[in-house]
Amino acid sequence: DQQVKQNSPSLSVQEGRISILNCDYTNSMFDYFLWYKKYPAEGPTFLISISSIKDKNEDGRFTVFLNKSAKHLSLHIVPSQPGDSAVYFCASRTSYGKLTFGQGTILTVHP
Amino acid sequence: GAVVSQHPSRVICKSGTSVKIECRSLDFQATTMFWYRQFPKQSLMLMATSNEGSKATYEQGVEKDKFLINHASLTLSTLTVTSAHPEDSSFYICSARDRVLSNTGELFFGEGSRLTVL
Repeated sequence: DQQVKQNSPSLSVQEGRISILNCDYTNSMFDYFLWYKKYPAEGPTFLISISSIKDKNEDGRFTVFLNKSAKHLSLHIVPSQPGDSAVYFCASRTSYGKLTFGQGTILTVHP
Repeated sequence: GAVVSQHPSRVICKSGTSVKIECRSLDFQATTMFWYRQFPKQSLMLMATSNEGSKATYEQGVEKDKFLINHASLTLSTLTVTSAHPEDSSFYICSARDRVLSNTGELFFGEGSRLTVL
């Protein structure tokens, strides 16, 4: 049972434009939602998170939106830069701290 | 931010041998550590939850006798792959939770360990 889903395996965006990465979840017990960036052969790097009691969190170029009724969250990167090219994982966390990851989306930002 | 260190980053071993991977929290105490495994082009799959001073909790389908986890102190957890086989070749990543749960909800991840079993 895939509790966290990223239905787009890849996304290609032009430099300077907006990148929108989507994630859906099924478990309403998750209390935090997080986005991680990952390069091959490295551990994930935390980007931004949002509490389940909020609907938006912004940090520089990164904004995460949460729609609890739809069990959907998205990560917006504006403006996109070539250095943003990586695999992006969304993750959902229970109060115990256990993370459940989506399948990941490969973002490619073209110069 | 907090630092989690894994060692070794790469290990190659012969089939049938055992390999130990260490995960250390360098500047915080981690009551709980998590071990993940990533197959090529796939998501990170939680293998087990490691609690300091007690037995690890394994996810369904993960062989506890094959993947031995020890969490002897608040800063160290180890994963031992016993009698390794080529199908155990993978990228193993640990993460740690600070004793004081982060307000941002984040877990801190190690750099990962690439295991190749010949």
